[in-house]
Amino acid sequence: DVKVTQSSRYLVKRTGEKVFLECVQDMDHENMFWYRQDPGLGLRLIYFSYDVKMKEKGDIPEGYSVSREKKERFSLILESASTNQTSMYLCASTPPRLANTEAFFGQGTRLTVV
Amino acid sequence: GNSVTQMEGPVTLSEEAFLTINCTYTATGYPSLFWYVQYPGEGLQLLLKATKADDKGSNKGFEATYRKETTSFHLEKGSVQVSDSAVYFCALSDRGNRDDKIIFGKGTRLHILP
Repeated sequence: DVKVTQSSRYLVKRTGEKVFLECVQDMDHENMFWYRQDPGLGLRLIYFSYDVKMKEKGDIPEGYSVSREKKERFSLILESASTNQTSMYLCASTPPRLANTEAFFGQGTRLTVV
Repeated sequence: GNSVTQMEGPVTLSEEAFLTINCTYTATGYPSLFWYVQYPGEGLQLLLKATKADDKGSNKGFEATYRKETTSFHLEKGSVQVSDSAVYFCALSDRGNRDDKIIFGKGTRLHILP
């Protein structure tokens, strides 16, 4: 069974902390994505990556960075957490576009910044 | 650019009612279309998909037909159950584009009353 695994289901962090959200996929997918989900705003793309050590900004990259040192792992970093980053974070992966298949999602990490 | 528009929620129905959730899209290439479902506290999972015009995707009693002439991919189910209560996302990926991003609608929350 294919899997995208996020390291935590729930996190509570303090304002100003550096926060790491980890995502691992076991499908050998090239593409990985980080989204945040907020009520009324749907899914918004933060960063994505097409290959190891490659990264591209999504629609809302401010306050975030990412790391992809290995193909299977894509980390989202909140450099200095703020309360407006309280949200549900979703990781996803897909094979290259010509494979024409759907995205596979992790179970989500609900982050609360206090 | 590419976009997906789906009907605002929440949608509240009684059990065994007929469901339609509207979705329209704009795309520059040859999109594949998807419906994802998110149950409470979970990540997104694929419900159904269609990869070319006039294809019909179906799963768990849900159906959607890829209509190129109306740029639509409406989700339907003939008789909903309480267990169908969830958030539904319409999405597209455009094989004609350089990148592999998936574009999501804002989601429609569905409540089914017993």
